[in-house]
Amino acid sequence: KQEVTQIPAALSVPEGENLVLNCSFTDSAIYNLQWFRQDPGKGLTSLLLIQSSQREQTSGRLNASLDKSSGRSTLYIAASQPGDSATYLCAVRNAGNMLTFGGGTRLMVKP
Amino acid sequence: GAGVSQSPSNKVTEKGKDVELRCDPISGHTALYWYRQSLGQGLEFLIYFQGNSAPDKSGLPSDRFSAERTGGSVSTLTIQRTQQEDSAVYLCASSLGVLAGTGGETQYFGPGTRLLVL
Repeated sequence: KQEVTQIPAALSVPEGENLVLNCSFTDSAIYNLQWFRQDPGKGLTSLLLIQSSQREQTSGRLNASLDKSSGRSTLYIAASQPGDSATYLCAVRNAGNMLTFGGGTRLMVKP
Repeated sequence: GAGVSQSPSNKVTEKGKDVELRCDPISGHTALYWYRQSLGQGLEFLIYFQGNSAPDKSGLPSDRFSAERTGGSVSTLTIQRTQQEDSAVYLCASSLGVLAGTGGETQYFGPGTRLLVL
């Protein structure tokens, strides 16, 4: 059974810092990995999707990497802003159609 | 250009009652997913619809849970004889579907229905 772990569970940084969120998964036979953000009381917003054959994806200040063999992904956020404050969720898709989610990292960027 | 919508946004019910939760996916999306987000449990998959194929029900926690998708669009998640442990946020997502190619797998989520069973 796939298990997804995110570290740290919570992170507080001053505005402007670069930061890294970590995601690990136990079953490396994944189809893809997706990073989401969730704002309080809201649904999830997709940030980046990395196919199993890819090593990284970039969107603006966000860069996600994938090392499938070691079961790890990182989300790098450059020059963090208070508007980046949210919970960041990592999810993997194995055979079948379900996504398995990590517990999330709650990020607070202080002005 | 509307996103995924869900109704109601909040639902309070008494233990033992049935509830229906509705999801309107993004127009043209063939895949639809239901997830549940509980305190202390994280986000868990419930059920998946792809076009006219039989749904993947592998995540449904009990036979009190069922879902339909009419006409390949709107979906209803029904919980019969609700229990207090059913209290959670129920999230619906849609995607273009895996047959749409690489970009078709990104899931777009609705705002959720917050269910409280008293």
